[in-house]
Amino acid sequence: DAGVTQSPTHLIKTRGQQVTLRCSPKSGHDTVSWYQQALGQGPQFIFQYYEEEERQRGNFPDRFSGHQFPNYSSELNVNALLLGDSALYLCASSLEFGGVGTEAFFGQGTRLTVV
Amino acid sequence: DAKTTQPNSMESNEEEPVHLPCNHSTISGTDYIHWYRQLPSQGPEYVIHGLTSNVNNRMASLAIAEDRKSSTLILHRATLRDAAVYYCILSGTNFGNEKLTFGTGTRLTIIP
Repeated sequence: DAGVTQSPTHLIKTRGQQVTLRCSPKSGHDTVSWYQQALGQGPQFIFQYYEEEERQRGNFPDRFSGHQFPNYSSELNVNALLLGDSALYLCASSLEFGGVGTEAFFGQGTRLTVV
Repeated sequence: DAKTTQPNSMESNEEEPVHLPCNHSTISGTDYIHWYRQLPSQGPEYVIHGLTSNVNNRMASLAIAEDRKSSTLILHRATLRDAAVYYCILSGTNFGNEKLTFGTGTRLTIIP
C-alpha cells in the first residue's frame, strides 16, 4: 500500500501565477482534505472533498479551489499566487464511513515557494 | 472549535518515558481527543485518540482526566525516532473524515 502520494514534492512559482497540486489517497479511502502549513505553524484546513463535491471549507479565499475525480484522487489549485502562499501543502485521506478507530492519513506534502 | 493548550517544547532522555500534557478546559461532552505527530520533513501521522477512558495502542497511551479538561500522551520508552512535533486536537467525531484544527503543538526533543 503506497499510502497517500502527493506531487510534485517541490515547486517554485512566481507571484501572480497559478499552480496545481495533486494527491492520490490511500487505497480504499474516499475522502480527501487539504491543509496548508506555514513554516513553524501547525497545518491549517483548506477544504475537504467527498463524492467529487467540496463538503467543508476553512478560512481561505476563493483563489484556492479544488477538484476530486471519480477515482478519489484530488487536485488543489491556487490562482494569482502571493508570496504568503509559500508553504507546505498537505493532503490527507480518510474514509467517510470508517467507523471507530479510523484516522486520517497524510502525504508528505508539496513544498511551494512563491518568488 | 474548542481549543487546546500545549507546552511549546519538551526534552526527554532516550529510553525513558515521556509524558506530553494537553489542556482542553472548554471541551464538550462529545469531543474526542486526538493526538497526531509530525516527524521532520513528513506529514502528520495519527498516534491515538480517546473519549473518556484511557487508551493504549502499539505507539502510545492516552490518559484522560476524569473531568476531561486535560489529557496526557505517554510514550513508554522514547527513542530518537520519537523526536517530532506532537499535536493534541479536539474533534467532534472519532472518524478520520472530520477536519482537524491543529495548534502549534509540542516539539519533543530526545536526548541520546
